Amino acid sequence: GPKVLQIPSHQIIDMGQMVTLNCDPVSNHLYFYWYKQILGQQMEFLVNFYNGKVMEKSKLFKDQFSVERPDGSYFTLKIQPTALEDSAVYFCASSLGQGESDYTFGSGTRLLVI
Amino acid sequence: GEKVEQHQSTLSVREGDSAVINCTYTDTASSYFPWYKQEAGKSLHFVIDIRSNVDRKQSQRLTVLLDKKAKRFSLHITATQPEDSAIYFCAASPNTGNYKYVFGAGTRLKVIA
Repeated sequence: GPKVLQIPSHQIIDMGQMVTLNCDPVSNHLYFYWYKQILGQQMEFLVNFYNGKVMEKSKLFKDQFSVERPDGSYFTLKIQPTALEDSAVYFCASSLGQGESDYTFGSGTRLLVI
Repeated sequence: GEKVEQHQSTLSVREGDSAVINCTYTDTASSYFPWYKQEAGKSLHFVIDIRSNVDRKQSQRLTVLLDKKAKRFSLHITATQPEDSAIYFCAASPNTGNYKYVFGAGTRLKVIA
């Protein structure tokens, strides 16, 4: 079936540097999401995005985080500057709308901040 | 806000037996409950869902039960096969209109041949 692609799959970065995580959502989907999963813990909602705007963000979505999808290209999560506690797997997802089985996840980007 | 608890971190069953994974939630406004399966190194794949207007839904070997009074839902897998081995995540969608999911911590199901 349709897939959400995440690039890169792994990223190691020095604390304080900027990182951009890229997500290529399913082509006709309208809603885009980022989730964060720290090793051994629950996957937690970060932010969702629709029609060019952030709809809702959680308390995990710090001021250092930003999202955008310029001109229908990649949906990106940028962290600037990174901190050690940002180390986690970041999952992108996309969907057509509410409560549909088309809510599709990517394989995640494993981010390690050192 | 909504909290979803998935109490079993691991579950081992013999091939052919049934497996039951339980979840609880806190927000009575949650109205949609999907289940996802994640195999090693792969993304989450949707397996089955249930909406709050029903208390049972079956798809082949999978059944989801929803008890709104107890704020509990469960995934039942019958006639388990080795390929059912994976981490299963339950989730709840609070009725905010923003389509976010609150996930449980996951249950690693091992089906032993």
